Amino acid sequence: DAKTTQPNSMESNEEEPVHLPCNHSTISGTDYIHWYRQLPSQGPEYVIHGLTSNVNNRMASLAIAEDRKSSTLILHRATLRDAAVYYCILRSPLYNYGQNFVFGPGTRLSVLP
Amino acid sequence: SAVISQKPSRDICQRGTSLTIQCQVDSQVTMMFWYRQQPGQSLTLIATANQGSEATYESGFVIDKFPISRPNLTFSTLTVSNMSPEDSSIYLCSGMSRSSYNEQFFGPGTRLTVL
Repeated sequence: DAKTTQPNSMESNEEEPVHLPCNHSTISGTDYIHWYRQLPSQGPEYVIHGLTSNVNNRMASLAIAEDRKSSTLILHRATLRDAAVYYCILRSPLYNYGQNFVFGPGTRLSVLP
Repeated sequence: SAVISQKPSRDICQRGTSLTIQCQVDSQVTMMFWYRQQPGQSLTLIATANQGSEATYESGFVIDKFPISRPNLTFSTLTVSNMSPEDSSIYLCSGMSRSSYNEQFFGPGTRLTVL
């Protein structure tokens, strides 16, 4: 799987939008961009994934650059409950069918009241 | 989606003893995995639990130290054998189903402290 680069930590104020960046300059054409997050004392949970087009779900939005070398996870209104480590992971279903996701260090998001 | 539970949620053990962690999924999953997460670190894959056959271990992890069972599609165990303080960590069970290879589900983890 191609490598991703994320900031070690970020801080946000409650009820403000948060933009979590991820760089993946060596992404291949078949790599999907996945985001997971790990809340304190819990296992990671799925947030969102996409290939080329921007994606929205009830948790977040995923904005993918036109060249796909970077992406941004957007939390529209951060809450205290969104404080977590956010992981950006590339994965190709063609070559990783049935294989586990590989987690990097991620970005630790702090949300201030 | 699948809900994964683990038992125990935490334990404090003596050096040289063994602990077996149980993982139960509320639906059948194709793949099951065991991870270790040391304090402040990311997740490291220990092994893939294969139903009806020996687990597939990652580099640095061996069957004698971390024996794994998976008798069916919803249950697996991980044993941490002959424990030392270096084994103090969080151990996480995870599953993935054939119908949704884009999503991997995780249990809440077992926090192990070895004295």
